[in-house]
Amino acid sequence: QQQVKQSPQSLIVQKGGISIINCAYENTAFDYFPWYQQFPGKGPALLIAIRPDVSEKKEGRFTISFNKSAKQFSLHIMDSQPGDSATYFCAAGGSNYKLTFGKGTLLTVNP
Amino acid sequence: NAGVMQNPRHLVRRRGQEARLRCSPMKGHSHVYWYRQLPEEGLKFMVYLQKENIIDESGMPKERFSAEFPKEGPSILRIQQVVRGDSAAYFCASSPSPGNQPQHFGDGTRLSIL
Repeated sequence: QQQVKQSPQSLIVQKGGISIINCAYENTAFDYFPWYQQFPGKGPALLIAIRPDVSEKKEGRFTISFNKSAKQFSLHIMDSQPGDSATYFCAAGGSNYKLTFGKGTLLTVNP
Repeated sequence: NAGVMQNPRHLVRRRGQEARLRCSPMKGHSHVYWYRQLPEEGLKFMVYLQKENIIDESGMPKERFSAEFPKEGPSILRIQQVVRGDSAAYFCASSPSPGNQPQHFGDGTRLSIL
């Protein structure tokens, strides 16, 4: 059972554009939602995370939007750059400290 | 480098051999998590350990896999009698405390089974 569904599987954006990646979860016990960025041959690096007491969190060009009632959250990358080309994973965690990951989105930003 | 250190980065084993993967958490972190990543898949939780204790191993296969985090030294993920299906990237993460604290990942060990 896939508890965190991520879409799209791949995304191509022009430089300067907005990249949007969406995730949906099923388990209402989740209360921590991080996003990770992974480059080939590297481990996932924490980008930004949100808790359900806020609907939006922004750090630089990265914004998480959170909709608790719909059980959905999304990552927006503003002014996308070629250096942002990577695989992005959403995840969800609860009091049991495990992180449940989506399957990832391969982002390509064309120059 | 104060990050999570994993070694080896690449490990090749023949079917039936043993694989040992090591993880040194970030300085000051006493909680270690192991995840497995198959091609085109997200990471799957395997086990959560604190020093000298296994807290949750619900994601570990029942046979051939074991993990430890001794009082001194790195955490070890051990796979006995490896099979082709064990080929994957194994990532270790650490956090300063349990629960919903940021988990910081190492660069993983890529295990290939011949």
